[in-house]
Amino acid sequence: QQQVKQSPQSLIVQKGGISIINCAYENTAFDYFPWYQQFPGKGPALLIAIRPDVSEKKEGRFTISFNKSAKQFSLHIMDSQPGDSATYFCAASKGAQKLVFGQGTRLTINP
Amino acid sequence: DGGITQSPKYLFRKEGQNVTLSCEQNLNHDAMYWYRQDPGQGLRLIYYSQIVNDFQKGDIAEGYSVSREKKESFPLTVTSAQKNPTAFYLCASSSRDSYNSPLHFGNGTRLTVT
Repeated sequence: QQQVKQSPQSLIVQKGGISIINCAYENTAFDYFPWYQQFPGKGPALLIAIRPDVSEKKEGRFTISFNKSAKQFSLHIMDSQPGDSATYFCAASKGAQKLVFGQGTRLTINP
Repeated sequence: DGGITQSPKYLFRKEGQNVTLSCEQNLNHDAMYWYRQDPGQGLRLIYYSQIVNDFQKGDIAEGYSVSREKKESFPLTVTSAQKNPTAFYLCASSSRDSYNSPLHFGNGTRLTVT
């Protein structure tokens, strides 16, 4: 029940395309869903986060879509750029409790 | 600049030796965390501390130990009891002042045990 399942494990997208990464969770008590971005040799950094009271949140080219009934949320990267090539982690938590991370997606944007 | 410093970046040890990874933060955060990252397994929580002189086990604490004697410091010791210690270790911190405050990560220490 504490797991967050992330897919795909790796993704290759052409420059200018849309990158989509999906996550699913079981624990309906989760109320905070962030996405972290990690470049090689660096620690992850918060990219964007959403609460379950909204179905979508957009920041620039990055959008989180949230489907509470399906217990799924996804990250969409519009107009993907080579600089977006990184590993992306979804996560979830209940209140201020510790985050549970997905397995990660290695995204490659081909120029 | 405020941030989290992990040292060293690369660490090599022989099997059977204990090794301590350093983590220092100057963000004035109360909470600190240690994660282990392995390919295809995401980030798994080893230990966390929400206040000085107190810490709790995470999901994979066996073979690890920590201390929290100062607010700024949260060192992790990988003991010889850890069966698969070779991994990328990440330290993080967060504020307890705000609900769901984001984690701030260091740049990690890659430990290789042979």
